[in-house]
Amino acid sequence: QSALTQPPSASGSPGQSVTISCTGTSSDVGGYNYVSWYQQHPGKVPKLMIYEVTKRPSGVPDRFSGSKSGNTASLTVSGLQADDEADYYCTSYTGSNNNFYVFGSGTKVTVL
Amino acid sequence: EVQLVESGGGLVQSGGSLRLSCAASGFTFTYHWMHWVRQAPGQGLVWVSHIDNNGGRTTYADSVKGRFTISRDNAKNMVYLQMNSLRADDTAVYYCVRDRNLAFDIWGHGTMVTVSS
Repeated sequence: QSALTQPPSASGSPGQSVTISCTGTSSDVGGYNYVSWYQQHPGKVPKLMIYEVTKRPSGVPDRFSGSKSGNTASLTVSGLQADDEADYYCTSYTGSNNNFYVFGSGTKVTVL
Repeated sequence: EVQLVESGGGLVQSGGSLRLSCAASGFTFTYHWMHWVRQAPGQGLVWVSHIDNNGGRTTYADSVKGRFTISRDNAKNMVYLQMNSLRADDTAVYYCVRDRNLAFDIWGHGTMVTVSS
């Protein structure tokens, strides 16, 4: 099972929006509505930002939103803030006995 | 407070073994699947293994299958990862993670495993 494909980097100015894609296959992203997104600041523990493609855990700002079309999921961060600068990872449930979940390769978001 | 605390990491020679432990507190442990996720230095997150609520089903990444074994003790609120035949590319921070709605909602702070060749 290969890692889900994410762009290595993305950037935007404060107040702008940035969208990160996460491309898989019909066996993972396209086959289930169980895509989630994680934010990781340097040296810190990952934090769940989006689950079940579009849902936000309590405490996550509504500036963060998720979507999916076919085999590609996306995370959009609106109204960029300095603290949004971090690495972002997607993951998808696969249901397979081999590689039950698969992570994306990660995207470094830079706030210009 | 919901909390996961890992222990058991350290330095081990290639071919050696380590057993990681994860102590869970602040939630009903038996309601949740549990996972181990690792992150090599400067690299991305990689899912390693999962165990269901009662330990009846376990799954593994291809890279660790046959070498790692996940288990849990629901009476003690503990999850374990027995790692055998360790290789240099197993060097990573290992996170214990709670599953909720098929997402990783609570993460421990991680324990570092270094395999020397």
